Amino acid sequence: EIVMTQSPATLSVSPGERVTLSCRASQSVSSNLAWYQQKPGQAPRLLIYGASTRATGIPARFSGSGSGTEFSLTISSLQAEDFAVYYCQQYIKWPYTFGQGTKLEIK
Amino acid sequence: EVQVEESGGGLVQPGGSLRLSCAASGFKFNSYVMSWVRQAPGKGLECVSSISSGSGGSTYYADSVKGRFTISRDNSKNTLYLQMNSLRADDTAVYYCAKQGGGSGSYSDWGQGTLVTVSS
Repeated sequence: EIVMTQSPATLSVSPGERVTLSCRASQSVSSNLAWYQQKPGQAPRLLIYGASTRATGIPARFSGSGSGTEFSLTISSLQAEDFAVYYCQQYIKWPYTFGQGTKLEIK
Repeated sequence: EVQVEESGGGLVQPGGSLRLSCAASGFKFNSYVMSWVRQAPGKGLECVSSISSGSGGSTYYADSVKGRFTISRDNSKNTLYLQMNSLRADDTAVYYCAKQGGGSGSYSDWGQGTLVTVSS
């Protein structure tokens, strides 16, 4: 099983700041990497797939990069609605696995 | 508009069974891989099971549920199922139905989830 590790677990940031979340895979997943946002009581929402392609309707302030084993999600200017938990997921090999999540908190 | 809606969750005793359903609309159901993803209370996400498009001839399971859970689909009813047997306390979770994106293994559309609680 491919293990996905996200860092940090929690990030305290202020609205308007730029933030970068990291995700590392235990083996290469090429570009088969997605990012999701989840708010309390809601289902996850797909943000990025193919490591860097924004899903339909996702604002341009969200961007993804990386390939192989190292990936990042950048939010260029945090809005109030962006405070949530973010998960990365690999889908190159079953079982598809998620990272443990990074929680963005308001500073 | 793509919609997936789960049902069938509830309280069940350890060792019991439950069948979850996921009604899909707004897309060509038989053309997409469908999956069940669960989230234990306060925990992260786990891919439980997945089924191929078309006749659903290929199925995949997490090791934690292999031999106990069975995924299936009825394309005539645009419905995905998860039959869960021999339930354990650690199966307690919100179970999401998720549609795989075209050409990508990511999950582009999710239901709101159905809560399964395994407890005596």
